Amino acid sequence: EVQLVESGGGLIQPGGSLRLSCAASGFTVSSNYMSWVRQAPGKGLEWVSVIYSGGSTYYADSVKGRFTISRDNSKNTLYLQMNSLRAEDTAVYYCARQDVPYGVKTGYFDYWGQGTLVTVSS
Amino acid sequence: EIVLSQSPGTLSLSPGERATLSCRASQSVSNNYLAWYQQKPGQAPRLLIYGASNRATGIPDRFSGSGSGTDFTLTISRLEPEDFAVYSCQQFGNSPLTFGPGTKLDIK
Repeated sequence: EVQLVESGGGLIQPGGSLRLSCAASGFTVSSNYMSWVRQAPGKGLEWVSVIYSGGSTYYADSVKGRFTISRDNSKNTLYLQMNSLRAEDTAVYYCARQDVPYGVKTGYFDYWGQGTLVTVSS
Repeated sequence: EIVLSQSPGTLSLSPGERATLSCRASQSVSNNYLAWYQQKPGQAPRLLIYGASNRATGIPDRFSGSGSGTDFTLTISRLEPEDFAVYSCQQFGNSPLTFGPGTKLDIK
């Protein structure tokens, strides 16, 4: 059974840093495209970042230069390092597995974690 | 970047009725690579439809997707009590992938 379990969220002051983790089971993280998607309170879903199976990484413009996605193959775990946090980064952060059709660079999300809440406030 | 809009913002219906939700793209979605998700309060999104019309594993056949180009539709043929939720569309034919703002389906 595929499972994704996020952790690491919490209350952080503006300008601070936080690292989110997403432990996967039932499949191999390094063989899949894995993304972070966030949802601000009462708002829609926003894609944040992806790491391809080959290791390439991409970011939304809103987080580029501040967030870093990575993975630990030995732990089958995905990470999101978030620096220089802003109030507008407040959201529930989901990790999700992407199913990517042949010939395109992105896909839909077939499995999601339960999410972890990040609150940026002084 | 493709911008997705969804209508209506809120749809109030009764169990047993038919629901028709719309997703419109600012430009044509390549290969009709559009997905639909259901999200209930406090829960993660759940994949319903991918590739505009393909039901995901375990999704009841009362859910169907259709459309092409810039106009897509999610239809729930006969609403069950557990179907009242927020429904979001997502395009993955063009990078970056983008989501619509969602349609809230609530009980009349």
